[in-house]
Amino acid sequence: SQQGEEDPQALSIQEGENATMNCSYKTSINNLQWYRQNSGRGLVHLILIRSNEREKHSGRLRVTLDTSKKSSSLLITASRAADTASYFCATDAWIQGAQKLVFGQGTRLTINP
Amino acid sequence: EPEVTQTPSHQVTQMGQEVILRCVPISNHLYFYWYRQILGQKVEFLVSFYNNEISEKSEIFDDQFSVERPDGSNFTLKIRSTKLEDSAMYFCASSGQGGWEQPQHFGDGTRLSIL
Repeated sequence: SQQGEEDPQALSIQEGENATMNCSYKTSINNLQWYRQNSGRGLVHLILIRSNEREKHSGRLRVTLDTSKKSSSLLITASRAADTASYFCATDAWIQGAQKLVFGQGTRLTINP
Repeated sequence: EPEVTQTPSHQVTQMGQEVILRCVPISNHLYFYWYRQILGQKVEFLVSFYNNEISEKSEIFDDQFSVERPDGSNFTLKIRSTKLEDSAMYFCASSGQGGWEQPQHFGDGTRLSIL
């Protein structure tokens, strides 16, 4: 598998429910970031968690990081229709001799009214 | 809130031609990046730029590509001798002091279509 893989690839829930997305990665990282992308738009930064942090909150977002398992999760509580978007994790890591932000394939989240 | 702006939003070019994609990063940011996203695929890092020079580049960023900061506000990506497989969304991003340790702010992208 590749650096930065999210699951599930697609998630459809009812408005008001919580949405959980997971991300796994392969190499050591400096930080892990979550981004949102609405259709046809650029990526919007949601939250950054450093390798020495385990949990971080921002509004309705909660991110966890487990460096021993090389995994992270993004929880969106009390989902709204406007949360419909693709969500990507991105790891800041050294890969093939270069420092880069490596994005996963993304989770397509649909919130049904 | 300051934004990263990219022009044009859509560029259609004949194969073999050169294209220049333009970006205006957030004014007080110091680090600049280009990414591309082929339809249905991951966002891929191309290059980072700091202090008027390339700081990192991926294996995708070969001699066909070049970047430039011609003045204090613009950041450009030039693609020479375009190929069909260069068709993708190209995103510019910028970040503040701390570079990779800071959130990156993305523009809405340029959709490049090579015919």
